[in-house]
Amino acid sequence: AQSVTQLDSHVSVSEGTPVLLRCNYSSSYSPSLFWYVQHPNKGLQLLLKYTSAATLVKGINGFEAEFKKSETSFHLTKPSAHMSDAAEYFCVVSFFSGTASKLTFGTGTRLQVTL
Amino acid sequence: DAGVTQSPTHLIKTRGQHVTLRCSPISGHKSVSWYQQVLGQGPQFIFQYYEKEERGRGNFPDRFSARQFPNYSSELNVNALLLGDSALYLCASSLQGAGDTQYFGPGTRLTVL
Repeated sequence: AQSVTQLDSHVSVSEGTPVLLRCNYSSSYSPSLFWYVQHPNKGLQLLLKYTSAATLVKGINGFEAEFKKSETSFHLTKPSAHMSDAAEYFCVVSFFSGTASKLTFGTGTRLQVTL
Repeated sequence: DAGVTQSPTHLIKTRGQHVTLRCSPISGHKSVSWYQQVLGQGPQFIFQYYEKEERGRGNFPDRFSARQFPNYSSELNVNALLLGDSALYLCASSLQGAGDTQYFGPGTRLTVL
């Protein structure tokens, strides 16, 4: 079965410092992995997507993630946090079940950015 | 170009009633998926439709049903509402569904009293 585990439910950083949001996945085959962000009372916005083309994936707003098969990890990073980055972040794995392509979400990490 | 749109934005119903939620995909997208997000949790997969046919269903009771129309828009119906159905219902569209990136709408907030 496919699953993702987000290791931190809440992360707090100061503005201008690096961000690290951790995600481990479980998949019986090479997965498609995503990071989505959800601002309060908003829908989900795609940050970046991994589909085996390159292990280091660059996304929007300065975020990037590195796929490490040996560690089954897909951690999200950003060199310098901005106040506008405060939101809920979801690590997501896509897999096929029958004829459907389903997304399985992690439990989310709430990122707090302080002055 | 317009993104995924959903209506209504908010909805309040009482137990036992039924509700219909609507979704219009991004132009050119032929697949629509529905997700339920209970407060404080990640979204859970409900349905996926492609070319008006159901492609997959999550672990939800038969009170939940959906359909997709020839213009690729979709409806999610929930009958005999329970308090536990209170959630944000998200619609996502993709080109074909099979492995394509899913783009989400803003959601419909359903409150069941």
